[in-house]
Amino acid sequence: RKEVEQDPGPFNVPEGATVAFNCTYSNSASQSFFWYRQDCRKEPKLLMSVYSSGNEDGRFTAQLNRASQYISLLIRDSKLSDSATYLCVVILYTGGFKTIFGAGTRLFVKA
Amino acid sequence: EPEVTQTPSHQVTQMGQEVILRCVPISNHLYFYWYRQILGQKVEFLVSFYNNEISEKSEIFDDQFSVERPDGSNFTLKIRSTKLEDSAMYFCASSLGGAALETQYFGPGTRLLVL
Repeated sequence: RKEVEQDPGPFNVPEGATVAFNCTYSNSASQSFFWYRQDCRKEPKLLMSVYSSGNEDGRFTAQLNRASQYISLLIRDSKLSDSATYLCVVILYTGGFKTIFGAGTRLFVKA
Repeated sequence: EPEVTQTPSHQVTQMGQEVILRCVPISNHLYFYWYRQILGQKVEFLVSFYNNEISEKSEIFDDQFSVERPDGSNFTLKIRSTKLEDSAMYFCASSLGGAALETQYFGPGTRLLVL
């Protein structure tokens, strides 16, 4: 089983739509969780951290379910500029901290 | 806004040659990382570095790889004898605190092509 698993998509949605991405992780030693976005041929950039209590940043809401080892990202009122690959990232503790990226979910927002 | 910089942006090398990829982390950051991303694949962790030593490395980071912080500002990744499969984008990142707690800021990457 992959350490971090995401639906690869692509998700094709119209502007203004709400879209949800899911991510599962396999190792219960996972300590911290993040969503990054990556534009084509660019570096990953932090979108938001993910907390057990859930957290929101404008149009973006992230949730963590430690019992199910599941992370989600909800984007409301999609904009054209949201088109990117969304990366689920888990920090694993194995004596030292290791960052594990999911393969990403591709989002296309169309006018 | 401070940023991580990397040089060169592109590097082409012959198989078997040594390459050094350079990074300048954000100045007050204490933790440094290298990642690679083979075209069309996911970002893969290579190594983390703190207090002038490797704190964690992946299975990919074998004896052909080494990292160094030769002075107060640069952080380098050396690949001793490049193979075709080393062709990838290499990202450097830095964070103020450890990865579990602090945001990692990524540089724009060095695209390495091994012929």
